[in-house]
Formats: sequence, structure tokens, C-alpha cells
Amino acid sequence: DTGVSQNPRHKITKRGQNVTFRCDPISEHNRLYWYRQTLGQGPEFLTYFQNEAQLEKSRLLSDRFSAERPKGSFSTLEIQRTEQGDSAMYLCASSLIVLQETQYFGPGTRLLVL
Amino acid sequence: AQKVTQAQTEISVVEKEDVTLDCVYETRDTTYYLFWYKQPPSGELVFLIRRNSFDEQNEISGRYSWNFQKSTSSFNFTITASQVVDSAVYFCALSRTGANSKLTFGKGITLSVRP
Repeated sequence: DTGVSQNPRHKITKRGQNVTFRCDPISEHNRLYWYRQTLGQGPEFLTYFQNEAQLEKSRLLSDRFSAERPKGSFSTLEIQRTEQGDSAMYLCASSLIVLQETQYFGPGTRLLVL
Repeated sequence: AQKVTQAQTEISVVEKEDVTLDCVYETRDTTYYLFWYKQPPSGELVFLIRRNSFDEQNEISGRYSWNFQKSTSSFNFTITASQVVDSAVYFCALSRTGANSKLTFGKGITLSVRP
């Protein structure tokens, strides 16, 4: 069973550019979560999907951020007009809704905005 | 609101020493889950354990053990006979049960095990 994969692993961009990250969850996992982690902090929740439905978005997710999960498989997270404050590690996790849920994380995408 | 506090920020031990990582949580929910994750330098969060709020039985897995005490809202993690490969950042996390199981993380504890 392959784990969660994320691409790209690293992204360097200039302020004002748009970036898109991809997450491929563990197959058959119906929940997918996005988190953001800045240096020296724990991950913070951004949004999550159950199948293709986006069920909750954090206040951290400004209108420059958008996430999709077409067909309930992979997910994309897009940041428009990037700012230096967007520099962080973006983590994706997936889980299977059962009696007891555990989230499994991918390796993350490290974003640096110059 | 849910909150996780990991008061220790950095711990340094010599190989083979035992080390305990503390975690204190706050929640108004009557049922919840507690987790520990390990983040090695590569960056990927590795799941270590999940504990249900209604199960206060302590757990041991090899050199790892966890002490859950609901009365003090603590979920501490002990590594026995630490090894250099245990060096990582360790996160304690809390989630609700049911509809939105988003994780609330502490700030993490950086553990350095010296040879």
C-alpha cells in the first residue's frame, strides 16, 4: 500500500506568482486534509475534503487560496498572488472514515516565496 | 476550542538514556482522540499512536510507552534506552471524533540524542 504522495517537494517562486501543489492520498481513503507548517511550529489545519466535497475551511485560508478534489481522488491546493508570508511547508494527509480515524501524512511541499 | 501544550521545546540526551516528552491538552468534548507524531529531518510526519479518550490504559510498543491521564489532561510519551535514530521533532495532537477530525497540534519538542 503506497503512502500519501505530494508534488512538487520543493517550490521556489517570486512574490505575486501563482503556485499549485498536488496531493495523492492513499487509495480508498475518503478524507483528505491540508495543513500548513511554519518554522518552529506545529502544523495548522487549512481545509479538508470528504470524497469530493470540501467540508471546512480554516480562517487561515484567505481568498488567495483554493483547494479542489475532483472525483474524490487527488487534490490540488493553489495559491494566487503569492506573498512572502506564504512561505511554509504544506502538508497533506489522508484517512479512511472508520470507527477510529487516523491521518497519514505525505512528505510535504516546501514553498519559498522570494 | 481545542488546545495542545508541549511546554518542553528542546531536549538533549545521551544515547541509552530514558526521556519523557510531556503533552497537556484542553478540550470541552467528552470524546476525543490523542495522537503522537514524529517528524524526522526529512519532514514527513510519521504516525506513532492514537489513543481514545475513553481508554486510559497505558500502552507500550517496544521502547515506546504512553501514559494517558484524563484527570490531569496529559498524554506523555516515554522513550526507553534512546537511540540516535530517535532524534526528531515530536508532536502531540488532539482531534474530535466524528464529522471533522482535524488535528490540533502542539508546537513540538525537538529531541536530540547524542552518541
